[in-house]
Amino acid sequence: GAGVSQSPRYKVAKRGQDVALRCDPISGHVSLFWYQQALGQGPEFLTYFQNEAQLDKSGLPSDRFFAERPEGSVSTLKIQRTQQEDSAVYLCASSLGRIQYFGPGTRLTVL
Amino acid sequence: GNSVTQMEGPVTLSEEAFLTINCTYTATGYPSLFWYVQYPGEGLQLLLKATKADDKGSNKGFEATYRKETTSFHLEKGSVQVSDSAVYFCALSGTGNEKLTFGTGTRLTIIP
Repeated sequence: GAGVSQSPRYKVAKRGQDVALRCDPISGHVSLFWYQQALGQGPEFLTYFQNEAQLDKSGLPSDRFFAERPEGSVSTLKIQRTQQEDSAVYLCASSLGRIQYFGPGTRLTVL
Repeated sequence: GNSVTQMEGPVTLSEEAFLTINCTYTATGYPSLFWYVQYPGEGLQLLLKATKADDKGSNKGFEATYRKETTSFHLEKGSVQVSDSAVYFCALSGTGNEKLTFGTGTRLTIIP
């Protein structure tokens, strides 16, 4: 496709459920990023891949958060045992060079 | 660590007014600086960028100059339009590190 796509666009989970968020980057983009955007705030970095290698996961808030990109293309962000504080928009971006192109985000609401 | 401080909003202006949204940063080395915009119902889009001191980024009538001496990257537009209503984010990426550090965003509303 022409841009970064994410699915689902909206996700409602009960506290304690596991969720998986998908990101399809722009074809050929080597780098892929995940960010978390709380309501009224700027995006905060979660993790970064270069091809299939996860080079930086310093922003993951807890060990309940896990990301993978096994074939260097599609990436999945998994959150186990969701908590209310996980409610946010999760943004994926891909880049070739310094400019990051963002997807529309997945809005996660944990009840 | 790196940080970005952005002018707090919301900002409301009349059409054709002059716009300034202030942004200052803290970073080691020589970061790249960006302005991203989020229109209602849409994803983040790059508006403009500057990669070294004294560079001026420009796009769609918006401009920002990378000022290392004042660690600033203020966004300006001479005459705003209703279609400029959006949330604007200042951001930086550090030397040798692509991850973006964002400000909190400034919501801009332009009234006809």
